Amino acid sequence: GQNIDQPTEMTATEGAIVQINCTYQTSGFNGLFWYQQHAGEAPTFLSYNVLDGLEEKGRFSSFLSRSKGYSYLLLKELQMKDSASYLCAALDSNYQLIWGAGTKLIIKP
Amino acid sequence: GAVVSQHPSWVICKSGTSVKIECRSLDFQATTMFWYRQFPKQSLMLMATSNEGSKATYEQGVEKDKFLINHASLTLSTLTVTSAHPEDSSFYICSAPTPTDLSEAFFGQGTRLTVV
Repeated sequence: GQNIDQPTEMTATEGAIVQINCTYQTSGFNGLFWYQQHAGEAPTFLSYNVLDGLEEKGRFSSFLSRSKGYSYLLLKELQMKDSASYLCAALDSNYQLIWGAGTKLIIKP
Repeated sequence: GAVVSQHPSWVICKSGTSVKIECRSLDFQATTMFWYRQFPKQSLMLMATSNEGSKATYEQGVEKDKFLINHASLTLSTLTVTSAHPEDSSFYICSAPTPTDLSEAFFGQGTRLTVV
């Protein structure tokens, strides 16, 4: 079956760095997405990786290893507004998104 | 960039009535749109895949006759919740992959449905 695993909840301190891991098993693979979702709002796009390696975009970076079925989202210089759920989703061979349950990130002052 | 507009953002309806949610792709043609439902503190659950000009594909456990999907044009897909019940209260979100750039799957703003 298809499956996405990510931690349920993480806590970090304002100004610090946090890494949110995601492992996936899908029928075919056409890329991996990271989304940010604040409570009561639709997800917003953060990153897309289809090739191995690290993609940096400002304070956020995303890494992919296709051979390991593994990705992580790295958030630097954490701000209170980064408190949200972070959703990992893999695009399968039918171009359908397979979603993780999301990681709730709590930022403490 | 490509935008998906979803309307309404929130709706309250009486039990037994029907509610229609619209999802429009504003500057690109969407042959496919995905409809999701999200209960509080849970992940997005795919309900159905809407295909322009043909029948929608429903996920297992989703009632076709209750959640009517119409994708009559390349820019509009609608989800109608028929004979709504309180347990249908949820956050409904549509998304559309762009036809040439898979780097983003664009989401509508979401519709919060409350059935009383």
